[in-house]
Amino acid sequence: NAGVTQTPKFRVLKTGQSMTLLCAQDMNHEYMYWYRQDPGMGLRLIHYSVGEGTTAKGEVPDGYNVSRLKKQNFLLGLESAAPSQTSVYFCASSYEELNAYEQYFGPGTRLTVT
Amino acid sequence: RKEVEQDPGPFNVPEGATVAFNCTYSNSASQSFFWYRQDCRKEPKLLMSVYSSGNEDGRFTAQLNRASQYISLLIRDSKLSDSATYLCVVNHLLISNFGNEKLTFGTGTRLTIIP
Repeated sequence: NAGVTQTPKFRVLKTGQSMTLLCAQDMNHEYMYWYRQDPGMGLRLIHYSVGEGTTAKGEVPDGYNVSRLKKQNFLLGLESAAPSQTSVYFCASSYEELNAYEQYFGPGTRLTVT
Repeated sequence: RKEVEQDPGPFNVPEGATVAFNCTYSNSASQSFFWYRQDCRKEPKLLMSVYSSGNEDGRFTAQLNRASQYISLLIRDSKLSDSATYLCVVNHLLISNFGNEKLTFGTGTRLTIIP
C-alpha cells in the first residue's frame, strides 16, 4: 500500500512555462485535494474533488486547473507559471468529506518558478 | 483576524520537559478540531483529534475550550523525536459555493527538543 504518491518531487520552471503535477492514491478514497504551503502561511486549498469526474475550487484556485479522470488520480496543471506559484504542493485524499480530518498527504512537490 | 492562529515559536525545550501549545480559532461555528504533525520537509500527518471532553493519547493530551475558542496540546516527558512543527486544524461549516465543510490549517508551532 503506497498511500498517496506525487510526481515529480522537485521541479524548476521558467515564467510562462506549463506543467502538470500528478497525484495518485491506492486507498480507494473518494475525496482528493491539492494544497500549497508557503512560509508563514498555513496550507491553503487550491482545488478539490469529491469523486471521479468532479472538481471544485478551493481558496486559491487562480492560475491552476485540475482533472480527475480516474478515481485514483488527481492532476494539477499550471498553464503559465508565475514566480508567485513557487511553493510546496501537497496532494491529499480522504474517504469522505465528513471525515475530512482524516486526510492522508503525499510527500509534496517543491516547485520553483524563476 | 486569522481563522486559526498559533504561536509560531520556535519552542526550544529540554528533553523530558512538558510543553504546551495553544491555538485560537475565529469561527464559532467550527465543528471539529485536530492536531497534525509535520516533520521538516515532510508531509503533515494526523496526530490526534480534539474532543470536547479532552482526550489523551500516551504522552499527548488535547483540550478544547469552545467558550474561549481555543485548543491546546500538551506533550509530557518530551522526546527528541517530538521535534517537529505542530499544526492546529479546524473544520468548520461554510456558507459558500465551496462546499459544506472546510479544513483550515494554522501556520504551525515549531518545537525543538534539546538533548
